[in-house]
Amino acid sequence: AQSVTQPDIHITVSEGASLELRCNYSYGATPYLFWYVQSPGQGLQLLLKYFSGDTLVQGIKGFEAEFKRSQSSFNLRKPSVHWSDAAEYFCAVADLSGGYNKLIFGAGTRLAVHP
Amino acid sequence: GAVVSQHPSRVICKSGTSVKIECRSLDFQATTMFWYRQFPKKSLMLMATSNEGSKATYEQGVEKDKFLINHASLTLSTLTVTSAHPEDSSFYICSARDRLQHLDTEAFFGQGTRLTVV
Repeated sequence: AQSVTQPDIHITVSEGASLELRCNYSYGATPYLFWYVQSPGQGLQLLLKYFSGDTLVQGIKGFEAEFKRSQSSFNLRKPSVHWSDAAEYFCAVADLSGGYNKLIFGAGTRLAVHP
Repeated sequence: GAVVSQHPSRVICKSGTSVKIECRSLDFQATTMFWYRQFPKKSLMLMATSNEGSKATYEQGVEKDKFLINHASLTLSTLTVTSAHPEDSSFYICSARDRLQHLDTEAFFGQGTRLTVV
């Protein structure tokens, strides 16, 4: 069965420090992968997505992610974190079985940023 | 990008009453909409897939009679929580896909609805 694992429930970094959020997936075919960000009490905003092609994808707000098939990973990175990046981050894989594109989410990683 | 509007953003209801949540695609037509439920400090769990003009497809463990889904048009899906109880209190989020896009494209999310049953 398809699944997404985000090993880190909570991460705290200092403002200006680099960030890497881990994501591992389990999917039988070529995965379609996503990273979303959620601010408290809000919906989800797409940061970036990978469907095919270049394994390093650029997203909004200075985020990037690298797809590594050999490691079944799609880690999210940012070189310098801003205080406004504090939020919940979700990695997701698209389940295309049944003819629908439904998303399977990881448990999420809550990011706190120290000034 | 495409906009999905969810209404209301917050609702408080009494135990035993029913609550309707609307999900609208504002600038595109959505053949398929998805309803998710998010428990506090937890991930999003897919409840059901809503298809315009046909019955919704529910995920295992989701009560069809409790969570009624109607997708009457290409721009509107509704989720009705019937006979709500405190354990139904949660954050409900919808998403929609543009019917003109292929399967390998993103879905767009609404802002979510915070339901509190007292």
